[in-house]
Amino acid sequence: DGGITQSPKYLFRKEGQNVTLSCEQNLNHDAMYWYRQDPGQGLRLIYYSQIVNDFQKGDIAEGYSVSREKKESFPLTVTSAQKNPTAFYLCASSISVVGETQYFGPGTRLLVL
Amino acid sequence: KNQVEQSPQSLIILEGKNCTLQCNYTVSPFSNLRWYKQDTGRGPVSLTIMTFSENTKSNGRYTATLDADTKQSSLHITASQLSDSASYICVVSAEYGGATNKLIFGTGTLLAVQP
Repeated sequence: DGGITQSPKYLFRKEGQNVTLSCEQNLNHDAMYWYRQDPGQGLRLIYYSQIVNDFQKGDIAEGYSVSREKKESFPLTVTSAQKNPTAFYLCASSISVVGETQYFGPGTRLLVL
Repeated sequence: KNQVEQSPQSLIILEGKNCTLQCNYTVSPFSNLRWYKQDTGRGPVSLTIMTFSENTKSNGRYTATLDADTKQSSLHITASQLSDSASYICVVSAEYGGATNKLIFGTGTLLAVQP
């Protein structure tokens, strides 16, 4: 069963804590993305990766970090520097970054305790 | 500034009725326009994609139109079903020199279909 999986579905963060959101895809896609979705706003790009061991900042990268050690995996770490982390986080992948349809995972909702 | 605006913000219709959602954009250089459906608490799913030369694209009961001159698109839903209740997001792609493309997302129209 091909697709993108994200875990966990819900995540709670304490003040000053770093948390990591998982994203895995078995679509053999080269490109992967992380978006943040807030009520009343369009999706905003946090980071993207065109290929293994390469990633680029998106529009709102401050307070976040990523790695791309394997083609299938693109984890996102929300660091303590991100002062307003409560949001719905969506991971996506596409064959490449040029003009291809992006396929989204089911999302992770991050809440701050 | 690249922008995508959608209207209405929300819409309630009765099951079996038709509806039309609007998308206006100011994105340059334009590459393509997609409509996505996002169920509550889920990731968006692509419905249609249109390039500059296409002005209509259908996917079952969903029909998207594109007027590249006026920079407007619409999504028409025919004979609505309860399962159509979702947020519909218009996404415009700007392509820069073939190296990468940038997606600009609208804020979505929240559709509620009532029995």
